[in-house]
Amino acid sequence: GDSVTQMEGPVTLSEEAFLTINCTYTATGYPSLFWYVQYPGEGLQLLLKATKADDKGSNKGFEATYRKETTSFHLEKGSVQVSDSAVYFCALSIGNQFYFGTGTSLTVIP
Amino acid sequence: SAVISQKPSRDICQRGTSLTIQCQVDSQVTMMFWYRQQPGQSLTLIATANQGSEATYESGFVIDKFPISRPNLTFSTLTVSNMSPEDSSIYLCSVGWGANTEAFFGQGTRLTVV
Repeated sequence: GDSVTQMEGPVTLSEEAFLTINCTYTATGYPSLFWYVQYPGEGLQLLLKATKADDKGSNKGFEATYRKETTSFHLEKGSVQVSDSAVYFCALSIGNQFYFGTGTSLTVIP
Repeated sequence: SAVISQKPSRDICQRGTSLTIQCQVDSQVTMMFWYRQQPGQSLTLIATANQGSEATYESGFVIDKFPISRPNLTFSTLTVSNMSPEDSSIYLCSVGWGANTEAFFGQGTRLTVV
């Protein structure tokens, strides 16, 4: 069935370090892919999205490319800030169904 | 996008009581969903709220425990009935407009049952 597998956390980085959070998916059709971010005590916010193969989603310095050949949608940021500390969820949407990864907790230390 | 107002934001309830959570959207939406997020975990879909008809529940969730209403295209409620400490969780309202599109979330309701 359709699913999302996300890199386990927690991840701790120093400020200005490079971030990668891996995400792979399994889907029977042609899904849209998303990254959501959840700050402490808040709901999920859409960070970026990609709706077809080779699309690159980007927002606030974060990027992810929809790779159909490797069924991946890895999240990257070149230089993280303390304010990026949050939980990140990879997700896919196919039809009216949504599937979420288990979430990766990121802590950025000064 | 949509502005989603979810109330209450948090509550502490006695076991055996019920709590109704409200979700109000600032525009008409096709789909409304209710999720549960247990501490440190991912989201689990409870049900899809259908306008004018009974909600569609996922495996492991039943109407008697989680009755849902959706009287129109901008509003829904989720009730957590006969609560026990195992129901302590964050409950999230989510909305969407169609297949393969993004979902938007309310701020969540943090429920503690004592």
